[in-house]
This record gives sequence, C-alpha cells and structure tokens, in this order.
Amino acid sequence: EVQLVESGGGLVQPGRSLRLSCAASGFTFDDYAMHWVRQAPGKGLEWVSGISWNSGSIGYADSVKGRFTISRDNAKNSLYLQMNSLRAEDTALYYCAKSHSVGAGGWFDPWGQGTLVTVSS
Amino acid sequence: EIVMTQSPATLSVSPGERATLSCRASQSVSSNLAWYQQKPGQAPRLLIYGASTRATGIPARFSGSGSGTEFTLTISSLQSEDFAVYYCQQYNNWPPEVTFGQGTKVEIK
Repeated sequence: EVQLVESGGGLVQPGRSLRLSCAASGFTFDDYAMHWVRQAPGKGLEWVSGISWNSGSIGYADSVKGRFTISRDNAKNSLYLQMNSLRAEDTALYYCAKSHSVGAGGWFDPWGQGTLVTVSS
Repeated sequence: EIVMTQSPATLSVSPGERATLSCRASQSVSSNLAWYQQKPGQAPRLLIYGASTRATGIPARFSGSGSGTEFTLTISSLQSEDFAVYYCQQYNNWPPEVTFGQGTKVEIK
C-alpha cells in the first residue's frame, strides 16, 4: 500500500523557518516525481512545488518562489520542503503528493494526510 | 500562469440526480486535466485524469469530458457519499507549474 506521511509542521513566528518532511513507502520512490500542495483554512488547494524523480526538474508557485526550497533524498524515500521567511499567508495544511510519472508534471495520486503550519506571532 | 475557473461555486443537488461541474482554462491545456474529490477532514482523492479516464476504483457514475479550455465532470446519479468539494487541476504547463481551480462544492438540496 502506498503511504505518504508528512511531518514537521507547527507554530512558527513570521520571518522564521520550518522544514517539512514526507516519508514515502509502498512504491519505488525514485520512479516518481513528487509535489507539495497546501490548503489554507477553509480555502481551496494551492500547488506549492514539484520535483522530478532525479531532482533535475523543479518548479515553484510564484507565491513561494525564492523563499521555499523543495528537495528529495531517494536513498531515504523522503521529500522535503524548506520554508524560509515565513508569512502569515503561508498558514495552511501542507500535503505531500505522488505524481503519476517521473517528470514533475502530471496528476497526483495518492496524497498524504497533511501537516499543519501556522505562522503567527 | 494558466488560470483554472470552476463553476458554479456551489451546486445544490438532490440524491439520485445528475450533477454537472465545469472547469475552464485560461489557455489550452490539451487533455492534461485531472479532477479530485475532497471530503471534510480528508485529503483530496483522484477521480479523473487525462480529462476523461477514471482512476482506479472510481465508480462509473463519475465521468469527465472536454479538451482544450472547457472541461466537465458529471456525476450521473448522486449518492450520499458524493457530497463533497471537487477540484480540477491542469498539468499541461510544466515546467514550471501546475494549477488548481477554486473548487465546486456539491451540497444536498
């Protein structure tokens, strides 16, 4: 069974940093691209970032470009999101999602259950 | 950036009736479109990819159609478990990004 388990969320002050992790199991991790998608409380889905199987293709939403960095460690079956200069508007549930392909585009299936990030003083 | 616009924002439907949800792209995404269902407190679930292909385990009452800029998700006979929020997503514009619509909430009439 494919499983994605996010961790690393929490309460953080504006301007500070946080690193999210996503532990993957049940599939060959380095055969697939991976993504982060977030959902602010009561709002819709917002794609944040994606990374191809070998980290050769990476993309970011304009809202996080220059502040967030996506990475992966295929040896550890793990995906990461380094979030710097956090703002109140980054408050959201952050989901990790598996792409259907090695390239970073595509549809997402499955999704993890998410980790909550709250940015507040 | 490709903008995805879903309509209506809320759809009130009686159980057993048909629901038709629309998704429009600001420029062509070919057939590179997916639909997701999200219930309260749950992660999104993939329903449709490639505009019209049902994902594994998705009931036949869910169908997708369209290409280019206009897409439709149809639920032929709504069941109680289908009341949820539905999102479309384009994945044509990669790199560097993918984008979601703002969602359509299907509620009980």
